[in-house]
Amino acid sequence: DAKTTQPTSMDCAEGRAANLPCNHSTISGNEYVYWYRQIHSQGPQYIIHGLKNNETNEMASLIITEDRKSSTLILPHATLRDTAVYYCIVRVGTDNYGQNFVFGPGTRLSVLP
Amino acid sequence: KAGVTQTPRYLIKTRGQQVTLSCSPISGHRSVSWYQQTPGQGLQFLFEYFSETQRNKGNFPGRFSGRQFSNSRSEMNVSTLELGDSALYLCASSLVPNQPQHFGDGTRLSIL
Repeated sequence: DAKTTQPTSMDCAEGRAANLPCNHSTISGNEYVYWYRQIHSQGPQYIIHGLKNNETNEMASLIITEDRKSSTLILPHATLRDTAVYYCIVRVGTDNYGQNFVFGPGTRLSVLP
Repeated sequence: KAGVTQTPRYLIKTRGQQVTLSCSPISGHRSVSWYQQTPGQGLQFLFEYFSETQRNKGNFPGRFSGRQFSNSRSEMNVSTLELGDSALYLCASSLVPNQPQHFGDGTRLSIL
């Protein structure tokens, strides 16, 4: 079973920031938080991952709470092309023999014009 | 840099047949994982290979198998196909197993 819970769906106005929450209250100290998204008919696309510090790259920012029990993916200026299903996953980042990515149902983000 | 390449993109088979799907990882990536995606079950992990060795295996029957070659390319095989095997099969590669995975666009398998 997935170790994360996400809202089923969200809407965001084009040009505004999209904030996608994820709860991972049972996360272990050596587990990273990963975010992927999947646009219809394509394979999942890696967005960002982090352990405990906030992370930013050219696609998004990842904010992890101090207790690491939840996180938020921020798309700073959402476009129509950001409409997709967003998956939040926790996974051991180091020697992960026996671990794998467990995808939940994700959040369906609709960016509206 | 070319992404993960999966062939073929679409495949139609009948029950009882077998099928082999191919995956070429991103150049330099040595870890390859396979997933099955269906509307009912979502994305489910099949297996992971690294240095030609299977490291992890998901909860799928023995009809599902895979292998990895010395050049890191991977194949998965499904024997005695069933209607329920109709799905999008996704391959993902990473430099090593504990790094972010990058996915191909999958092979859509339809069983008639």
